[in-house]
Amino acid sequence: GENVEQHPSTLSVQEGDSAVIKCTYSDSASNYFPWYKQELGKRPQLIIDIRSNVGEKKDQRIAVTLNKTAKHFSLHITETQPEDSAVYFCAASNPLGGYNKLIFGAGTRLAVHP
Amino acid sequence: DVKVTQSSRYLVKRTGEKVFLECVQDMDHENMFWYRQDPGLGLRLIYFSYDVKMKEKGDIPEGYSVSREKKERFSLILESASTNQTSMYLCASRPRDRGGYTFGSGTRLTVV
Repeated sequence: GENVEQHPSTLSVQEGDSAVIKCTYSDSASNYFPWYKQELGKRPQLIIDIRSNVGEKKDQRIAVTLNKTAKHFSLHITETQPEDSAVYFCAASNPLGGYNKLIFGAGTRLAVHP
Repeated sequence: DVKVTQSSRYLVKRTGEKVFLECVQDMDHENMFWYRQDPGLGLRLIYFSYDVKMKEKGDIPEGYSVSREKKERFSLILESASTNQTSMYLCASRPRDRGGYTFGSGTRLTVV
């Protein structure tokens, strides 16, 4: 089945710096890749997603890139702010026989220091 | 505008008890999911359902069962709770064939 690996597990940056989180997936049939942000004590919230027919997607300070050949995708946060501090999860979805279930990475704890 | 509601935020149960975790969504989504979240392990899929009365095992179904008698409600059942089932349980739903999940607020279950 699908396996998603996420790195790094923790990331510490200074306010204003960029942060990059990387994920790799195993199933080449996966075609949907969302990113979730989970603040302390809160539910995971979808922040951006990308489909396999697109190589890059941007929404203000966040962007996601996808390399289908290498089977990896990345989250880029520019001009980080303290409110970006949270745990970020990547996920991959395979529509074939899996009813679009998401398989998640283990998460990255991002700390943005003022 | 809460759309996925989990009945309990915190729950403490004794070893051997039968435990019911309830999840209700008001978005008419076909698919519903139960995950458990543990530090360093991310979110692991326990069970999911793609229609009323339909269910599929996820990656870690042992010790759990589910029930989906109505489209809006998906219940997770711990047949005989054990201490290794102490965890945060997250319910999620999504419409068929599109979009990401909407998560509930989670139930932190402690088995003593």
